[in-house]
Amino acid sequence: GQQLNQSPQSMFIQEGEDVSMNCTSSSIFNTWLWYKQDPGEGPVLLIALYKAGELTSNGRLTAQFGITRKDSFLNISASIPSDVGIYFCAGQEYRDDKIIFGKGTRLHILP
Amino acid sequence: DAGITQSPRHKVTETGTPVTLRCHQTENHRYMYWYRQDPGHGLRLIHYSYGVKDTDKGEVSDGYSVSRSKTEDFLLTLESATSSQTSVYFCAISPSEPGEPNEQFFGPGTRLTVL
Repeated sequence: GQQLNQSPQSMFIQEGEDVSMNCTSSSIFNTWLWYKQDPGEGPVLLIALYKAGELTSNGRLTAQFGITRKDSFLNISASIPSDVGIYFCAGQEYRDDKIIFGKGTRLHILP
Repeated sequence: DAGITQSPRHKVTETGTPVTLRCHQTENHRYMYWYRQDPGHGLRLIHYSYGVKDTDKGEVSDGYSVSRSKTEDFLLTLESATSSQTSVYFCAISPSEPGEPNEQFFGPGTRLTVL
């Protein structure tokens, strides 16, 4: 079936550093979504993107819908301890009523 | 936060027994989804529903059935639980209509252990 390639799988960074992660697909998507999951909880929607080239921010988070419609990027600026968790991308094909998830990027912040 | 709850939150059961997990929403959304989350696999879709009595299979539907007799409730049943079904199960809801962007909002999850 359809798969999303999300990278990196995990990241170890210092507090205050910027973070970048991305997802790529073999198919064209009409919607890209970015979620964060804290331990023991369900994923929480961070940012939704609806058209190619779109750049959307949510506080220190910025996500972009790739111009080819086959990729998306999430950046976190000036990381803080509460940014620790797993970040998932998800994509939706045209008129599909399902979304497909990447396998996640686990973010660790070193003291 | 979206009004979505799951019950039970934790369950331990034995191989071969039937298990039913419940997802309840107060948002009156059309779409409801069941996922399982396992290390190394991310979130995988089991079944979903696009209305009362309207359901469809997802990527990993074998060994699972669902029912939706009311808009607010979506039940996931493991007909005869196996150890491979030990997982964390998440329900999600979406306010989208067919053809619209499918933003999904997740419940808190149910941790199921099959011994």
